[in-house]
Amino acid sequence: DAKTTQPPSMDCAEGRAANLPCNHSTISGNEYVYWYRQIHSQGPQYIIHGLKNNETNEMASLIITEDRKSSTLILPHATLRDTAVYYCIVRVTGTASKLTFGTGTRLQVTL
Amino acid sequence: DTAVSQTPKYLVTQMGNDKSIKCEQNLGHDTMYWYKQDSKKFLKIMFSYNNKELIINETVPNRFSPKSPDKAHLNLHINSLELGDSAVYFCASSQEVGSYGYTFGSGTRLTVV
Repeated sequence: DAKTTQPPSMDCAEGRAANLPCNHSTISGNEYVYWYRQIHSQGPQYIIHGLKNNETNEMASLIITEDRKSSTLILPHATLRDTAVYYCIVRVTGTASKLTFGTGTRLQVTL
Repeated sequence: DTAVSQTPKYLVTQMGNDKSIKCEQNLGHDTMYWYKQDSKKFLKIMFSYNNKELIINETVPNRFSPKSPDKAHLNLHINSLELGDSAVYFCASSQEVGSYGYTFGSGTRLTVV
């Protein structure tokens, strides 16, 4: 699975949009981009995933560049409950494919 | 109704003991996993089972033995516990058809003293 690069930490004011970047310059054509987050002391939580097109769900939006070498997770109105470590992961689907976590971005949402 | 449930939530035990952690999912998923998160917060996959068949086995000591009695359950048995086994262990499940996301349990914090 392709390696990803994320900033180690970011701050965001409550109510503002949080834009979390991820570089995956070696992504291959059949690899999806997944985002998960881990709130302190909890299990990781699936947020969103995409292949080529931008995606939106009730939690977030995922913007993938046309060359697929980077993506941005957008939390449109961050709240204190969004404080967590956010992981960007690229992988192929299939039962033998592993979901491999890197070090992620620690997002701190402040008042 | 918890989707992926692990028991126990906390486990404190002495070195050399044998212990088990249980995991059950009620999502109808085909694949289940065990992950280990150490004190530095790195999450590493240990095992993966698909329909009771072992499909991923990372370089984990033989003291760790997963068992899947059916596709809704994946238990982790650990023999001769060592101090380095202290960590949080997460169970997860997924349905690979359609590239769905993983659902994780809330974790079991194992402390070996």
